[in-house]
Amino acid sequence: DTEVTQTPKHLVMGMTNKKSLKCEQHMGHRAMYWYKQKAKKPPELMFVYSYEKLSINESVPSRFSPECPNSSLLNLHLHALQPEDSALYLCASSRLGLAGQPQHFGDGTRLSIL
Amino acid sequence: QQPVQSPQAVILREGEDAVINCSSSKALYSVHWYRQKHGEAPVFLMILLKGGEQKGHDKISASFNEKKQQSSLYLTASQLSYSGTYFCGTSYNQGGKLIFGQGTELSVKP
Repeated sequence: DTEVTQTPKHLVMGMTNKKSLKCEQHMGHRAMYWYKQKAKKPPELMFVYSYEKLSINESVPSRFSPECPNSSLLNLHLHALQPEDSALYLCASSRLGLAGQPQHFGDGTRLSIL
Repeated sequence: QQPVQSPQAVILREGEDAVINCSSSKALYSVHWYRQKHGEAPVFLMILLKGGEQKGHDKISASFNEKKQQSSLYLTASQLSYSGTYFCGTSYNQGGKLIFGQGTELSVKP
């Protein structure tokens, strides 16, 4: 069991749907991350939130919209996705978002776009 | 700039040792090591900061050679539970953004 909880575990959606991925942590961490991982590839950073403010956006298309309502919660809103967006979406958190601190990952949401 | 891991894959018998390398062409601030089993979350193993320190975790240890900008992960007396894909994640400043290497798939057979 991981300390970062992601829901749902699996999601299938059509290209015109709107859905959201949710991530929660109760470790008091102030940095939270979204990564995208394709099969047999490394995680790729999408967004970083530090103290509930967006600090890094890795030029992610606007059909992905992150939101950090409070220090424990991170959402990723999805709209008009493309088939190539099918992947495992991982959420992670770290204590203060510094490079010398470990990142704790959730089990991910496996997303399939029809 | 993505770090380069080697080897890409390795097969071991239980009890054998392995070394996984992670190299960067740019000066590193820190190197993280994670293990990911199929269908599971990446699990943190250890962090090394610039300064060439070596860390250990049970029979898994790592080093950071600042001259070569390379980190090596050492797995000794491997167990079946060591199987998985090992990723190094590198950062080039204190900011915390990690770039992961392409991964090394490790299989330990009985």
